[in-house]
Amino acid sequence: DADVTQTPRNRITKTGKRIMLECSQTKGHDRMYWYRQDPGLGLRLIYYSFDVKDINKGEISDGYSVSRQAQAKFSLSLESAIPNQTALYFCATSGSTSGANVLTFGAGSRLTVL
Amino acid sequence: AQSVAQPEDQVNVAEGNPLTVKCTYSVSGNPYLFWYVQYPNRGLQFLLKYITGDNLVKGSYGFEAEFNKSQTSFHLKKPSALVSDSALYFCAMYLRGYQKVTFGTGTKLQVIP
Repeated sequence: DADVTQTPRNRITKTGKRIMLECSQTKGHDRMYWYRQDPGLGLRLIYYSFDVKDINKGEISDGYSVSRQAQAKFSLSLESAIPNQTALYFCATSGSTSGANVLTFGAGSRLTVL
Repeated sequence: AQSVAQPEDQVNVAEGNPLTVKCTYSVSGNPYLFWYVQYPNRGLQFLLKYITGDNLVKGSYGFEAEFNKSQTSFHLKKPSALVSDSALYFCAMYLRGYQKVTFGTGTKLQVIP
């Protein structure tokens, strides 16, 4: 089983629909992140969480919300999806004890908003 | 503001030739620098990191990177490219106290048989 699991891997939805992307990890890491990847723009940070009670906005949090249900689970929600949220979304984790902040990524969730 | 630049969208190299993928950074302070690789339909995988010490760091799959503080660069290198090295490569930077990793825009490496 993968260290970081994202579901669903692919999703097509319509404008205005609510969407949730889920992420779970078996690394035992305390830090979890959601990134968005767009061609030519690299990875941009949406939200991050350093423990269950800690949620922080990233560069592009507008239109998104997150929930850290447990140390191992971090979900991303789009309350009312719009076409420019079509992208590849990655969940990542890191451990605060490592010092170097090396990220472990999930395989990605490809979202298409029509 | 801190930033990472990858000036080349794509790099083409013949199999067996040396390869270089360029990365420069801008930050106040001493950053940690990373390279990640993304194969098609996969998440990013960690290749190597520089924290301190020797300017030449070695990583997975025969890759290495050279940290140059005066040029604020951290170029990825490999002496002999393989077709299987074809992928998207991301340079990234972390600054302690800023709590997040900043990524470059990525460079597509194409190794031609």
